[in-house]
Amino acid sequence: DGGITQSPKYLFRKEGQNVTLSCEQNLNHDAMYWYRQDPGQGLRLIYYSQIVNDFQKGDIAEGYSVSREKKESFPLTVTSAQKNPTAFYLCASSIGLGGNTEAFFGQGTRLTVV
Amino acid sequence: AQSVTQPDIHITVSEGASLELRCNYSYGATPYLFWYVQSPGQGLQLLLKYFSGDTLVQGIKGFEAEFKRSQSSFNLRKPSVHWSDAAEYFCAVGAAGGGNKLTFGTGTQLKVEL
Repeated sequence: DGGITQSPKYLFRKEGQNVTLSCEQNLNHDAMYWYRQDPGQGLRLIYYSQIVNDFQKGDIAEGYSVSREKKESFPLTVTSAQKNPTAFYLCASSIGLGGNTEAFFGQGTRLTVV
Repeated sequence: AQSVTQPDIHITVSEGASLELRCNYSYGATPYLFWYVQSPGQGLQLLLKYFSGDTLVQGIKGFEAEFKRSQSSFNLRKPSVHWSDAAEYFCAVGAAGGGNKLTFGTGTQLKVEL
């Protein structure tokens, strides 16, 4: 079945550590996105990528980094510079960048700083 | 820049009752509008979308939404709610002209009383 796979489902990080969240899609989509979800705040865009080796900052990119070396993969690194990283992270993909294209979402990764 | 307002944070309805979730958007041109549903700890699933044409759109699970340009609204409705509809619902707007940075509302949490 085609879809988006995020791993791990739960992740615990000590303060000061970097962690990487995985996102893989087999939908042959060009565009991929990372969102952060906090209670009562909806989804906020962290980074997005339209094609391989290209990505753009979203609304809350500080403290995060991404790479897009393969079309299928768009990992997100939460760095120690992110002051409040505890949140639910959602990866999504779409056929292309265009306001009328449906975004497909993964099941999310819940990151907790301990 | 576009924005979305979901004025109701929580809504409780009885099973079998009708449902309407409100969504107001702000965008200078004809928007692309979406409703997504999220079960606890899960990703988002598309319920329906409006791009153009008929202003009443049908979606999955018996949901429908009506685009009203004069009111800048895209309210979600269901004639008879089932207990399994309990979830969080997000309205989103996409901009025409590229750059599929969907802007999400803050969500409405639906509780269904048996």
